[in-house]
Amino acid sequence: KNEVEQSPQNLTAQEGEFITINCSYSVGISALHWLQQHPGGGIVSLFMLSSGKKKHGRLIATINIQEKHSSLHITASHPRDSAVYICAVDNNNDMRFGAGTRLTVKP
Amino acid sequence: KAGVTQTPRYLIKTRGQQVTLSCSPISGHRSVSWYQQTPGQGLQFLFEYFSETQRNKGNFPGRFSGRQFSNSRSEMNVSTLELGDSALYLCASSLRSSGNTIYFGEGSWLTVV
Repeated sequence: KNEVEQSPQNLTAQEGEFITINCSYSVGISALHWLQQHPGGGIVSLFMLSSGKKKHGRLIATINIQEKHSSLHITASHPRDSAVYICAVDNNNDMRFGAGTRLTVKP
Repeated sequence: KAGVTQTPRYLIKTRGQQVTLSCSPISGHRSVSWYQQTPGQGLQFLFEYFSETQRNKGNFPGRFSGRQFSNSRSEMNVSTLELGDSALYLCASSLRSSGNTIYFGEGSWLTVV
């Protein structure tokens, strides 16, 4: 079993839909990161969480340390949100990654 | 403020050769980490440097090595290249080790033939 599990692997949505991507992990962490990767390779850090909830524009990330679970929500999704979203856990300088969720938002 | 800069962006090497990749972090960032991304294995952690010291190393063979200079710039080296080393190599920097936002470079695409 992978230390970081993401679901779903692939997700197709219509523009405007509310999207949730889940991440469960089995190791102790100092922080959890949500990353976005567009075709071509570039990765952008969306959130870094150690507790609670963060919001940035249409994106919301939550983490439950006791349950070892985090979610990334996208409200009012848009085709430009199409990308791979990756959950990464920071275990004292040792990063472990989920396999990623490929999101496609259709107009 | 300049972002994380990686060079070269693309390179092709032959099996058995070695390669050196360079990473210039964001000014003021002291932590530099390296990652390998392949279609089969996804993103994997290679190593992390902070103030010229390797703080952690992923599960890669000794052919993969790195270093960090006093100006925080970092290099990674892969010796005796194998076909399976073909990958996107990503560098990221942050202010300090662990628990800080990480900023990624665009990556170096390595093809081994």
